[in-house]
Amino acid sequence: AQKITQTQPGMFVQEKEAVTLDCTYDTSDPSYGLFWYKQPSSGEMIFLIYQGSYDQQNATEGRYSLNFQKARKSANLVISASQLGDSAMYFCAMRGDNTNAGKSTFGDGTTLTVKP
Amino acid sequence: NAGVMQNPRHLVRRRGQEARLRCSPMKGHSHVYWYRQLPEEGLKFMVYLQKENIIDESGMPKERFSAEFPKEGPSILRIQQVVRGDSAAYFCASSQRTDSLDREAFFGQGTRLTVV
Repeated sequence: AQKITQTQPGMFVQEKEAVTLDCTYDTSDPSYGLFWYKQPSSGEMIFLIYQGSYDQQNATEGRYSLNFQKARKSANLVISASQLGDSAMYFCAMRGDNTNAGKSTFGDGTTLTVKP
Repeated sequence: NAGVMQNPRHLVRRRGQEARLRCSPMKGHSHVYWYRQLPEEGLKFMVYLQKENIIDESGMPKERFSAEFPKEGPSILRIQQVVRGDSAAYFCASSQRTDSLDREAFFGQGTRLTVV
């Protein structure tokens, strides 16, 4: 079984500052993928970034980076230079190597509010 | 992810009625996944379908819920005799068959079901 834990129900950050959203996971799969999604108030799920368990480097996508610490089973999302449009719900998710692409386990999310 | 089409976007049903949610996957995708998002929670996997086959329905409630993905036409998630607890956002995702974990599943914009 897989489990994702996001311990921060809500976070606040000042515009233009960086923020870290926490995610820890548990799985028995030898290889797995970790994902972050953004859900704005309009409700759609927007893919942000992916990290493979055997990737040597932490993933980066523009202002998003993933701080992957395999031994600690953590995959924190770092958003640099926060913008007002970053205010949204953020979900961490994972898939194991014995599941087809698409069947994911999600955390309960963190609501990020960017203050002007 | 605009390619995954869900309709309707919003659906209101009275208790005891039936709800039908439709999902057309992205072009070229033959795998469809349904998720449910209760208020203030993350997405929970319900069912995984390929054309004319249910592959994994481990997250589907045993009663009143059914899903299909016919040879022609969209995937349908059907909820019979809806109750207030069925009020949620229902998301559909689609993907290509792949053994690579970094293939993200593309999400539709969801159907928000309200049972009154």
